[in-house]
Amino acid sequence: SSELTQDPALSVALGQTVRITCQGDSLRYYYASWYQQKPGQAPVLVNYGKNSRPSGIPDRFSGSNSGITASLTITGAQAEDEADYYCSSRDNSGNHFPKFGGGTKLTVL
Amino acid sequence: QVQLVESGGGVVTPGGSLRLSCAASGFTFSDYYMNWIRQAPGKGLEWISYISDSGSPIQYAASVKGRFTISRDNADNSLYLQLNSLRAEDTAIYYCARDHSGSYPAFDLWGQGTTVTVSS
Repeated sequence: SSELTQDPALSVALGQTVRITCQGDSLRYYYASWYQQKPGQAPVLVNYGKNSRPSGIPDRFSGSNSGITASLTITGAQAEDEADYYCSSRDNSGNHFPKFGGGTKLTVL
Repeated sequence: QVQLVESGGGVVTPGGSLRLSCAASGFTFSDYYMNWIRQAPGKGLEWISYISDSGSPIQYAASVKGRFTISRDNADNSLYLQLNSLRAEDTAIYYCARDHSGSYPAFDLWGQGTTVTVSS
């Protein structure tokens, strides 16, 4: 399958840890990248590659990869982390085009 | 300031055309692959096209191939997307996004988006 599958919604208590997952066969061959999108705003890259963060992204955002699953872990979730999160990778069916998961809406309780 | 600023969105009737622009600043535009990514109302992100740093190669998603054309002007630090034969399902926010110039694929800089509405 060329799809990237994410849980539609997750919740986490303030200060707790949450793992957002992304599954797809292409993740055997390509690392995932992760984007945070708050309402009315453009997406922002928060993690990519083996576990890299752009400048300015807090270190509570970490990424990992295992087999067909990529994960974004938020350790000590803050109220401002409430957002939609999208994973992205490449299609492994031949064209290697970028593709996105369906997104996970994270609620911080 | 490192940024991308899109413009050119609007309301257009089905079958119509529109040209989107993305102005880059604060970085060496000609060093980067660039992309257009869209988001339909209440939906997720959809990659639709990329163009290499030099202007070739170019690729399109199946959903827009043959109707949309991506181009760039490195002298003017600008990216473009020509939208032809527009359909209702093309209604979306259109973002330009920079390719991360490293070993791992990622879109490391996004514009604020420009909205395209296709409606009769």
